[in-house]
Amino acid sequence: GAGVSQTPSNKVTEKGKYVELRCDPISGHTALYWYRQSLGQGPEFLIYFQGTGAADDSGLPNDRFFAVRPEGSVSTLKIQRTERGDSAVYLCASSPGLAGLQETQYFGPGTRLLVL
Amino acid sequence: AQKVTQAQTEISVVEKEDVTLDCVYETRDTTYYLFWYKQPPSGELVFLIRRNSFDEQNEISGRYSWNFQKSTSSFNFTITASQVVDSAVYFCALSEAHTGNQFYFGTGTSLTVIP
Repeated sequence: GAGVSQTPSNKVTEKGKYVELRCDPISGHTALYWYRQSLGQGPEFLIYFQGTGAADDSGLPNDRFFAVRPEGSVSTLKIQRTERGDSAVYLCASSPGLAGLQETQYFGPGTRLLVL
Repeated sequence: AQKVTQAQTEISVVEKEDVTLDCVYETRDTTYYLFWYKQPPSGELVFLIRRNSFDEQNEISGRYSWNFQKSTSSFNFTITASQVVDSAVYFCALSEAHTGNQFYFGTGTSLTVIP
């Protein structure tokens, strides 16, 4: 079956602009995660959804970052007033959400965001 | 403090050599999971293995093997008879019971296999 998909694959924006990044999880997966990966670093957790609700948003760096998952499937990560420091690869992952904690997470190809 | 340490930033080996990628983790939980992912140049993280804290048996999958030692908090990954297609960045990750579903990743080891 299809894996996790993310759009766009690349996004270039100007400082101060608003961006939306989309994630389409594996069909049937109820758990969805967003991570941010800076150059030369490992992914860093941003937020975790179980169904429609954000079960853990402790990784969001500030209130310019927000994510939604209104129907429990596709999720959108929204960044307001972008800053150059927001430039990174934004990774989305999903897992079945059935076995409780510590499931294997399956990752999408990421969105490369560049803020000029 | 870094929960997962991958001290080797870059490794180069000649094809057919064996190579071991080190991973040291830190946690106070008794229940936790460890993972390895491969990130080829295309950028997508590919799942390799998941191991829980109660299972210290080593695992072998083809040319890949993993050595989990709780006594040294290590979960090392060995590739036997390396191939050019093994060239990638490899990440070790930790998931703890008390912190929920977030993964803590190391900084990765970039492996280059030279033909």
